[in-house]
Amino acid sequence: DVKVTQSSRYLVKRTGEKVFLECVQDMDHENMFWYRQDPGLGLRLIYFSYDVKMKEKGDIPEGYSVSREKKERFSLILESASTNQTSMYLCASSRYFVRDKDTSGANVLTFGAGSRLTVL
Amino acid sequence: SQQGEEDPQALSIQEGENATMNCSYKTSINNLQWYRQNSGRGLVHLILIRSNEREKHSGRLRVTLDTSKKSSSLLITASRAADTASYFCATASLYNFNKFYFGSGTKLNVKP
Repeated sequence: DVKVTQSSRYLVKRTGEKVFLECVQDMDHENMFWYRQDPGLGLRLIYFSYDVKMKEKGDIPEGYSVSREKKERFSLILESASTNQTSMYLCASSRYFVRDKDTSGANVLTFGAGSRLTVL
Repeated sequence: SQQGEEDPQALSIQEGENATMNCSYKTSINNLQWYRQNSGRGLVHLILIRSNEREKHSGRLRVTLDTSKKSSSLLITASRAADTASYFCATASLYNFNKFYFGSGTKLNVKP
């Protein structure tokens, strides 16, 4: 019954390496998100996408890029990993919520299990 | 940042007691949601309250919302050891309700 799948639970990379974090959802959701979670800081939005090939920056996009070539897949890319990018990365998806038309539904997030990245 | 804040940061109670955690946020919202996270895992949605609602119940959960104070509270009644987890509030902005901002979380420990 897994609905949002993150490709790796644990990764260890070296400084300067290019890192790909993959996320796939099977709920036909329009929206997909990447968050970073650090102790005491909660979840911070890195990027989100509301459609294929569409993306919008969150609070902390520096050092990251994203790719959404297919509706079900949203990739987070660290072009040159640094030690301060050691963190837990959480992918999530939700329906696209049109306020005036959707009075019964709700834009609830479904999360993956997370990817814990360590950069040495 | 549009993130909210939660307090307390940590809460330790005995099984059977009630647990209350609070969330404050900064912008006008469409809705506010509470999520739960077991250690090292992803978040799971618990309950959603819309900006025109003041209180909502779901099982042992009770959520209140005060938009004038930009705050919400989550009450878990008759807590169980299995409720031990971190709890986060998330807001969907009034101006972009497809974008979610999270608080810093409350870590709840329920002792058996």
